[in-house]
Amino acid sequence: GAVVSQHPSWVICKSGTSVKIECRSLDFQATTMFWYRQFPKQSLMLMATSNEGSKATYEQGVEKDKFLINHASLTLSTLTVTSAHPEDSSFYICSASRSVRSYEQYFGPGTRLTVT
Amino acid sequence: AQSVTQPDIHITVSEGASLELRCNYSYGATPYLFWYVQSPGQGLQLLLKYFSGDTLVQGIKGFEAEFKRSQSSFNLRKPSVHWSDAAEYFCAVYYGGSQGNLIFGKGTKLSVKP
Repeated sequence: GAVVSQHPSWVICKSGTSVKIECRSLDFQATTMFWYRQFPKQSLMLMATSNEGSKATYEQGVEKDKFLINHASLTLSTLTVTSAHPEDSSFYICSASRSVRSYEQYFGPGTRLTVT
Repeated sequence: AQSVTQPDIHITVSEGASLELRCNYSYGATPYLFWYVQSPGQGLQLLLKYFSGDTLVQGIKGFEAEFKRSQSSFNLRKPSVHWSDAAEYFCAVYYGGSQGNLIFGKGTKLSVKP
């Protein structure tokens, strides 16, 4: 149990366009979902935390208007990169927690975004 | 500030040899401790975790880790490495509280020589 999926697994978009990444908990209800960004050969950087039905909490330095997060249901969270630029190219990983205890996170397989 | 340090960026071991990956966390109350593995282009898989109790914890794929409070360490070990263990390994800590989040180390890349 505790499987998290992401879609798409990779995406290429043109500069200036927007792209949406979905994160789904397949076999459990996710009270909290997290979005991370991982640069090549780097660790995971937490971008934001979202609870179902609430506004996401963004980490310092993360642009809220560029990275729109919606946690519409207990099984789905979306990250929309708006007006993407090449510097937004990265590996985005989501995770989900079935409780308010955010240390119990289950990670998705990640989405590789390339902005040309 | 809370932090976690993985001193080794890249380690190469021969197949069949033993492995130890180091992880240290900043001083303070004992956090919850985790080791994750990431294969290229993949998400993170939990290897093992420590919350309390026995300081030697067993995980999946033959891995184990030992919590040492005096050294603020949580090193990952495996007695005999397989070629399929080649991957990136991340240590993570959770300190809890109102701002509690998982904090990841920078990772250690493991290469396995045949």
